[in-house]
Amino acid sequence: ILNVEQSPQSLHVQEGDSTNFTCSFPSSNFYALHWYRWETAKSPEALFVMTLNGDEKKKGRISATLNTKEGYSYLYIKGSQPEDSATYLCASNYGGSQGNLIFGKGTKLSVKP
Amino acid sequence: EAQVTQNPRYLITVTGKKLTVTCSQNMNHEYMSWYRQDPGLGLRQIYYSMNVEVTDKGDVPEGYKVSRKEKRNFPLILESPSPNQTSLYFCAARRGGVNNEQFFGPGTRLTVL
Repeated sequence: ILNVEQSPQSLHVQEGDSTNFTCSFPSSNFYALHWYRWETAKSPEALFVMTLNGDEKKKGRISATLNTKEGYSYLYIKGSQPEDSATYLCASNYGGSQGNLIFGKGTKLSVKP
Repeated sequence: EAQVTQNPRYLITVTGKKLTVTCSQNMNHEYMSWYRQDPGLGLRQIYYSMNVEVTDKGDVPEGYKVSRKEKRNFPLILESPSPNQTSLYFCAARRGGVNNEQFFGPGTRLTVL
């Protein structure tokens, strides 16, 4: 079973700071990389699903990049706001294109006003 | 509205008393999955289903059963719950391929005394 690693485990920033975190995954047999945002007392919600090397996706102040050859993805948040406080999960596939996702342990972001 | 529902949301029970957590989705998605979330361990897959009558074990299936008799429902059964099954459980659904985002249910917090 592959390992998906996320760093850092937690991050505390001030409102207005820009920040980024990393997800690393085995690059062999890659099909997709997912990012989810998970707020306390809620369920994870999809931010991005990325499949192609060099993919860049953006949603508002949040963007992500993907490098499938070296097995990493970055998530960037520009001008963090308190409402960005959440745990950010990444997941990659194993078991082929119809297979399962394996999740990293997440990066917990706290944004202080 | 695309939705995955779970019931109950909270449950406190005793060791050995059989219980079922229901999961239902209204998106006609083929793939459904159960995860448990424990502090420091991230989301771990219990069972998954590629379609009706097709189920398979995930990473931590011991002590659990599932069934998929209809496309929309994927109940999780604990025949004889034990305290180590105290956890937060999520059901998820997606269209077939791993390049599709997963939709998560609201979660079920189970305590086994």
